[in-house]
Amino acid sequence: DGGITQSPKYLFRKEGQNVTLSCEQNLNHDAMYWYRQDPGQGLRLIYYSQIVNDFQKGDIAEGYSVSREKKESFPLTVTSAQKNPTAFYLCASSGGARGYGYTFGSGTRLTVV
Amino acid sequence: QKEVEQNSGPLSVPEGAIASLNCTYSDRGSQSFFWYRQYSGKSPELIMSIYSNGDKEDGRFTAQLNKASQYVSLLIRDSQPSDSATYLCAVNQNYGQNFVFGPGTRLSVLP
Repeated sequence: DGGITQSPKYLFRKEGQNVTLSCEQNLNHDAMYWYRQDPGQGLRLIYYSQIVNDFQKGDIAEGYSVSREKKESFPLTVTSAQKNPTAFYLCASSGGARGYGYTFGSGTRLTVV
Repeated sequence: QKEVEQNSGPLSVPEGAIASLNCTYSDRGSQSFFWYRQYSGKSPELIMSIYSNGDKEDGRFTAQLNKASQYVSLLIRDSQPSDSATYLCAVNQNYGQNFVFGPGTRLSVLP
C-alpha cells in the first residue's frame, strides 16, 4: 500500500543533542513537508520541498535542517539550536494538480529529557 | 499575512444531531479548501475537499464554501461518538503546494 512512513514514533533528545526524524513516501509525490504541532495548537510549517535537491524554509525553520536527496525521502534534523523542540512532528506529501490535499505520516513525538 | 481562523471549541453536540464547524480565511486568492479530522495523538486525515462555491456532500459530511464571504464550513449529520475529534481547516492559495492550517475545532459528540 502507498503511504508515508515516519520513524521513530517516539524520540527522546538530551540537551545539546541533534536528532534526525525519518520520513519516507512511496506515493511518487513531488512535494514533501514537515510540520510541528504543539498541544492544543494547529500545524506550523517548518520546511518544505517541491523537488529533489531543493527545499524552502517555512514559518519556523530556525533550529531545524532538512535534505532532499531522493524523491522518496525528506529527513528532518532537530539541532541543538532549537531550544524548545518538544512537540509532535508531522511529515506530509502532496501530488497532483489543483492543490491536492496532503497525505500525512503517523507522526513522531519528540521529547527533551 | 495569510490566516485561517476557527473556533477552538470544544463544540459539544448530542449523538444524532448535526455538528456545524466553521472556518474563515483572510487571503482572497485562496482556491482550494480542505477539512481534516485528527484524533488525539494521531495524524490528520483528509475527509473533505472543496474548490467551488456551494455545497459538496460525501456521506454524512457536507462542505460549504462561500468565497465572497471567505467562509468554509463542515456539517456532520447524524453525529456519532466516533466523530469526536479535532477538525482542522486548511486553505491553499492559487493551487500552490503550501497550505495554511487553522488551529482546529475540538468536537465532542455525547452519547
